[in-house]
Amino acid sequence: GAVVSQHPSRVICKSGTSVKIECRSLDFQATTMFWYRQFPKQSLMLMATSNEGSKATYEQGVEKDKFLINHASLTLSTLTVTSAHPEDSSFYICSARGEGAGQPQHFGDGTRLSIL
Amino acid sequence: QKEVEQDPGPLSVPEGAIVSLNCTYSNSAFQYFMWYRQYSRKGPELLMYTYSSGNKEDGRFTAQVDKSSKYISLFIRDSQPSDSATYLCAMRRNSGNTPLVFGKGTRLSVIA
Repeated sequence: GAVVSQHPSRVICKSGTSVKIECRSLDFQATTMFWYRQFPKQSLMLMATSNEGSKATYEQGVEKDKFLINHASLTLSTLTVTSAHPEDSSFYICSARGEGAGQPQHFGDGTRLSIL
Repeated sequence: QKEVEQDPGPLSVPEGAIVSLNCTYSNSAFQYFMWYRQYSRKGPELLMYTYSSGNKEDGRFTAQVDKSSKYISLFIRDSQPSDSATYLCAMRRNSGNTPLVFGKGTRLSVIA
């Protein structure tokens, strides 16, 4: 089946650090990628949608200057949490979908971010 | 009313039982329906993917979609302890890059 690889799986860093998370589709071209945030025992909260070569569309309440998304190729999207603070600590999950209306959406294994 | 309603459980069943999970939704424009399984500290894994109404079977899993009732189900036969996870229903419209709309997820425990 389709595989989405997300890296790193775990990050622990000091407050004020910027953290970059990579998301790769390994065996299909991901025309659209999604970034989610998930709090413990809750469902996924969509942060932004990005199309290859275009600016990301952010959901209401998500700071685009805080969460920088780049989708420069059909197999790679990155999320950079800039100047991270403890309240940014969370589980971040990327997802990718291929071209075409009927394409399923596959998820990476998530990145657990802890800001000290 | 939320777009997608899903009982969060928790649901606890003995090994070998048939598990029935379901979601209701309000948006008749939804055309694609998915079930994901999520283990703790992992991303969601796509289990079943169906378009419009009907049934789909894959091994021990059967997905049903009833668009007239706006109701979808996932059945797990001969449940195993390894099936213990959170099950998320998700759906979306048939247009462009519309994002998935998720249920809250049902926590399932299969007891050996």
